[in-house]
Amino acid sequence: GAGVSQTPSNKVTEKGKYVELRCDPISGHTALYWYRQSLGQGPEFLIYFQGTGAADDSGLPNDRFFAVRPEGSVSTLKIQRTERGDSAVYLCASSPDPSSYNEQFFGPGTRLTVL
Amino acid sequence: DAKTTQPNSMESNEEEPVHLPCNHSTISGTDYIHWYRQLPSQGPEYVIHGLTSNVNNRMASLAIAEDRKSSTLILHRATLRDAAVYYCILRDGGGGSNYKLTFGKGTLLTVNP
Repeated sequence: GAGVSQTPSNKVTEKGKYVELRCDPISGHTALYWYRQSLGQGPEFLIYFQGTGAADDSGLPNDRFFAVRPEGSVSTLKIQRTERGDSAVYLCASSPDPSSYNEQFFGPGTRLTVL
Repeated sequence: DAKTTQPNSMESNEEEPVHLPCNHSTISGTDYIHWYRQLPSQGPEYVIHGLTSNVNNRMASLAIAEDRKSSTLILHRATLRDAAVYYCILRDGGGGSNYKLTFGKGTLLTVNP
């Protein structure tokens, strides 16, 4: 079956621009997560959705970052006024529910480069 | 989340077993031990998880120490496709923020042909 997909796979933008990154989770998965991975590091948690609502956005680095999931399926991570330090791979994952014994299924990520 | 400690890198030869260690001395009674791996240019992939007993699946085995302060991921016959970064992660089964995966730097496994 189809896994988690993310678009675009690569995004190059200029400092100060606005970007949107999209995540299509596995159908039927109620839990959706965004992580960010800098070069040489493990992924870091950004935000978790249960259904349509953001249950935990404590990992978002600042108010330039925002994410939505209006219909409980597709999610969009939005970054305003991008900075060079935002360059990273942004990973999306989904799971049937958030319980600790359920695996998270990751997408291939979007590589964001801010020039 | 409790912390885990893993070697930065390990090397193996193809078709030989690989034992990837993880220390988690501050593990709590409700923490599950999860392993994920990340192949080059891909997102992380679930490998296996356990609570107290050793676990086997088609990908690997997980051996958990009796005191649960350490665990070992065992790949029985390494292939070139197993070359990846392997992450050992604790997840709280008692509630709280157990939905988060807290990744460290993991162990970079190199498999030699």
